[in-house]
Amino acid sequence: QQPVQSPQAVILREGEDAVINCSSSKALYSVHWYRQKHGEAPVFLMILLKGGEQKGHEKISASFNEKKQQSSLYLTASQLSYSGTYFCGTAPGGSARQLTFGSGTQLTVLP
Amino acid sequence: DTGVSQNPRHKITKRGQNVTFRCDPISEHNRLYWYRQTLGQGPEFLTYFQNEAQLEKSRLLSDRFSAERPKGSFSTLEIQRTEQGDSAMYLCASTLYSHNEQFFGPGTRLTVL
Repeated sequence: QQPVQSPQAVILREGEDAVINCSSSKALYSVHWYRQKHGEAPVFLMILLKGGEQKGHEKISASFNEKKQQSSLYLTASQLSYSGTYFCGTAPGGSARQLTFGSGTQLTVLP
Repeated sequence: DTGVSQNPRHKITKRGQNVTFRCDPISEHNRLYWYRQTLGQGPEFLTYFQNEAQLEKSRLLSDRFSAERPKGSFSTLEIQRTEQGDSAMYLCASTLYSHNEQFFGPGTRLTVL
């Protein structure tokens, strides 16, 4: 089942903060976050693993609530380059053989 | 360049024709994924290889789709008897370990007329 992302779209000014949420109906082992700019391939941002381990960029933070099967991506002091569509991908098992991606959150940062 | 490459970048075909796409992963990556992405949606998993073994295949994947990864290096995705509904971006990704960053290629955009 596809994870649900919210909001579907957000527009903010440079320097403002944003939170993107991802929730699943299944128990999760890991949550992966990617950003995709128009016409380009998705680019890795962050992985959150069951048990609290995180791998990702220093300027982007995220949380993973295993009990609630939810993850949130925090974008602080947004820059114009943050614009794009953000996808969360979830893996239910101990192996990330199959990631199921949400339908995305379109983020637009205005000057 | 040591990134994931895909060829061709664009393919226009007529309904009923067969098409084949190629993906060259990052050389040391033994895990390779194929995804399909349509406008406004996230990548949809199609199939997964570990080395030359195809370990997962989406249950939604039609029998018209087949993928190979001979010798555990490059991979090909073939679509037989294409339909207009097959029009999409086909993405390939590779990684070294499970639960690790997947590196995506630029994709092959298929248009079926």
